[in-house]
Amino acid sequence: GESVGLHLPTLSVQEGDNSIINCAYSNSASDYFIWYKQESGKGPQFIIDIRSNMDKRQGQRVTVLLNKTVKHLSLQIAATQPGDSAVYFCAENYGYNFNKFYFGSGTKLNVKP
Amino acid sequence: SAVISQKPSRDICQRGTSLTIQCQVDSQVTMMFWYRQQPGQSLTLIATANQGSEATYESGFVIDKFPISRPNLTFSTLTVSNMSPEDSSIYLCSVLRSTEAFFGQGTRLTVV
Repeated sequence: GESVGLHLPTLSVQEGDNSIINCAYSNSASDYFIWYKQESGKGPQFIIDIRSNMDKRQGQRVTVLLNKTVKHLSLQIAATQPGDSAVYFCAENYGYNFNKFYFGSGTKLNVKP
Repeated sequence: SAVISQKPSRDICQRGTSLTIQCQVDSQVTMMFWYRQQPGQSLTLIATANQGSEATYESGFVIDKFPISRPNLTFSTLTVSNMSPEDSSIYLCSVLRSTEAFFGQGTRLTVV
């Protein structure tokens, strides 16, 4: 089903600080998750993924944490930069052969210089 | 990665008319997906487009309103039919490479 129409929540951080963006997913059977970044006027871009058999995965400046007990994902961005300003979405997959993604409601990250 | 081109990038349309959005991928893919992103909201999956078969629609979306074509493995179209202002959204085409979904830049539709 569709999200109810609400403005995206906004997280404002100072440049250089760490950011934590949270996401609650809906299906306990979901086995694969991706964080996407969407800049204004562009399609979503892959940041990092995690499978359900892991609880943490690290990339360059980003870390994703998965808590299956409470169906919660978080994205941690270290040393946030102005270029990180965007809307961030988590997406869960529970289709056959990873064929469908369902997106969370999104968070707008605003990095202040 | 995958290069996905969508046309048009934006359009302003009169209510009651229809718009067909094109999606071209730089290489063959089995599945293509169409999403809608309403203003200030997240992405909602409309349908999955498979080459050689009818599209599979998600709950709340029907073929009469959003007919989809998939004539080959690199191309798909989504038509938004009999448009109303509530159809004003960004429409995004997506493909899967391995387990990662790649997106086009979207088509921003405004219905007046």
